[in-house]
Amino acid sequence: DAKTTQPPSMDCAEGRAANLPCNHSTISGNEYVYWYRQIHSQGPQYIIHGLKNNETNEMASLIITEDRKSSTLILPHATLRDTAVYYCIQDATGTASKLTFGTGTRLQVTL
Amino acid sequence: SAVISQKPSRDICQRGTSLTIQCQVDSQVTMMFWYRQQPGQSLTLIATANQGSEATYESGFVIDKFPISRPNLTFSTLTVSNMSPEDSSIYLCSVGVAGAGEQYFGPGTRLTVT
Repeated sequence: DAKTTQPPSMDCAEGRAANLPCNHSTISGNEYVYWYRQIHSQGPQYIIHGLKNNETNEMASLIITEDRKSSTLILPHATLRDTAVYYCIQDATGTASKLTFGTGTRLQVTL
Repeated sequence: SAVISQKPSRDICQRGTSLTIQCQVDSQVTMMFWYRQQPGQSLTLIATANQGSEATYESGFVIDKFPISRPNLTFSTLTVSNMSPEDSSIYLCSVGVAGAGEQYFGPGTRLTVT
């Protein structure tokens, strides 16, 4: 079973920031938080991952709480092409190990 | 990153037959995985394809039903054997590089069994 919990769906207006929350209260010290997304009819796409510090790349920012029990993925200026299912996954890195996907959050970006 | 291709992209098959799906990567990778995504569902890992040895299957998946080959570091196949309509799914391969953590996914193979 997936170890993270996410809201099933969210809406966001185009051009606004999309903030997607994730709870991972059972995360252990060596587990990272990964975010992937799956646009309709495509394979999942890696977005970002982090351990305890906030991370930013060209796609998104990842904010992890100090206790590491939750995190938020931020898409700073959502576009229609960001409409997808977003998955938050906790897993150990350095091993490219198997991923356990939960049900994710379906983000709908609207005009 | 890695570029992954899968063949076929989709197929419609009759029950009782078998289909072999190919996964090709543009660079040598350490890990290769096969996932299944049933209609409207999330992804479920079928197995880890090990180069030069038998695949490692997850609970609920067996080699007789889903034989996997991985002859080298850039190629793997998944066969769906003796298909039934319940096997109608999207099958995806993914690759990982030790030390990098993230995985990269192929576009998937959409299988319909009639």
